Amino acid sequence: RKEVEQDPGPFNVPEGATVAFNCTYSNSASQSFFWYRQDCRKEPKLLMSVYSSGNEDGRFTAQLNRASQYISLLIRDSKLSDSATYLCVVTMDSNYQLIWGAGTKLIIKP
Amino acid sequence: DAMVIQNPRYQVTQFGKPVTLSCSQTLNHNVMYWYQQKSSQAPKLLFHYYDKDFNNEADTPDNFQSRRPNTSFCFLDIRSPGLGDAAMYLCATSRVGGGRETQYFGPGTRLLVL
Repeated sequence: RKEVEQDPGPFNVPEGATVAFNCTYSNSASQSFFWYRQDCRKEPKLLMSVYSSGNEDGRFTAQLNRASQYISLLIRDSKLSDSATYLCVVTMDSNYQLIWGAGTKLIIKP
Repeated sequence: DAMVIQNPRYQVTQFGKPVTLSCSQTLNHNVMYWYQQKSSQAPKLLFHYYDKDFNNEADTPDNFQSRRPNTSFCFLDIRSPGLGDAAMYLCATSRVGGGRETQYFGPGTRLLVL
């Protein structure tokens, strides 16, 4: 079993729709959680951190469920520019290493 | 205002011909990382430096070496590239180590091995 698992997609979604991604992690001692975005042939960029209380940034909402060991990302009113691969990342606070999911590819269609 | 710079952006080399990729940062971060990313896969950590302390991942091939002559620069040396080493190589930095620290990535160097 992979440490961090994501549905690879692609998710083909019409513009304006709401899309949700889930990510599961295997290590119950994981402490920090992030969503990164990676455009085609570009570097990953931090989209948002995920807190236990959940957090929202504009059209993006991230949730953490420690009991079930998954995190989610919700994108509302999707835009064409949201097309990218979304990578789930998990870390131990005491460890430098980021554990990456393989990413979920999102394609927003006009 | 680029913060993590990688050169070159594209590198073509021949099978077995040594190649060096470079990374520089203007953030004055203590930690620098090198990742390898292949198509549709997650970035794979090769090694990292905490200041001058080098930390190699257990499964990083011996073919890959790194140098960090100062805080700002870090190099990835591939001594004898094989076809399987064709990938995007990403450099990242963080202020200090620890899982809560955001990593800032450079634009990557795409390596092609002929």
